[in-house]
Amino acid sequence: EIVLTQSPATLSLSPGERATLSCRASQSVSSYLAWYQQKPGQAPRLLIYDASNRATGIPARFSGSGSGTDFTLTISSLEPEDFAVYYCQQRSKGITFGQGTRLEIK
Amino acid sequence: QVQLVESGGGVVQPGGSLRLSCAASGFTFSSYGMHWVRQAPGKGLEWVAFIRYDGSNKYYADSVKGRFTISRDNSKNTLYLQMNSLRAEDTAVYYCAKDTRNYYGSGSYVDYWGQGTLVTVSS
Repeated sequence: EIVLTQSPATLSLSPGERATLSCRASQSVSSYLAWYQQKPGQAPRLLIYDASNRATGIPARFSGSGSGTDFTLTISSLEPEDFAVYYCQQRSKGITFGQGTRLEIK
Repeated sequence: QVQLVESGGGVVQPGGSLRLSCAASGFTFSSYGMHWVRQAPGKGLEWVAFIRYDGSNKYYADSVKGRFTISRDNSKNTLYLQMNSLRAEDTAVYYCAKDTRNYYGSGSYVDYWGQGTLVTVSS
């Protein structure tokens, strides 16, 4: 099973700041990685797929990069609605999720 | 618009069984693979199972293999999850989820999710 490790576990930032979230795979997943956002009491929302493609309706401040084992989700300038939990997911071999990064208001 | 509505959750004793259903609408159900994903209270997401658009291939997480069975009825636009030999660690909100890719053999990503149904395994 491919294990995805997200860091940091919690990220404390202020609106307007830049957020950088990391996802590391235990073996190469090529570019087969997605990012999701989940707010309390809601289902997750797809943000990025295939490492760097924004899903439909996702603002341009969200961007993804990386390939192989190291991936990054960047939020260029945080809006109040961006504070949530973020998960990465791979589809290279089976399907697994990372444990999540909580982005909280500083 | 795409809608996924789960039902069938509830409280069940360890060792018991439960069948979840997911009614789909707003898209061509028979063209897309479907997933079940669960989330234990206060925890992260765990992928559970995937079924190919035509039902011919099914994939499971190791944690549920041999106990859970995913199935679908394309004539009724409905996805199912039969859960047997339930354990306390199966307690979670179970989400029905639509794959992003049509006519694709194995799972990809999820672009639509249901609201979830809570399964509690407790004596």
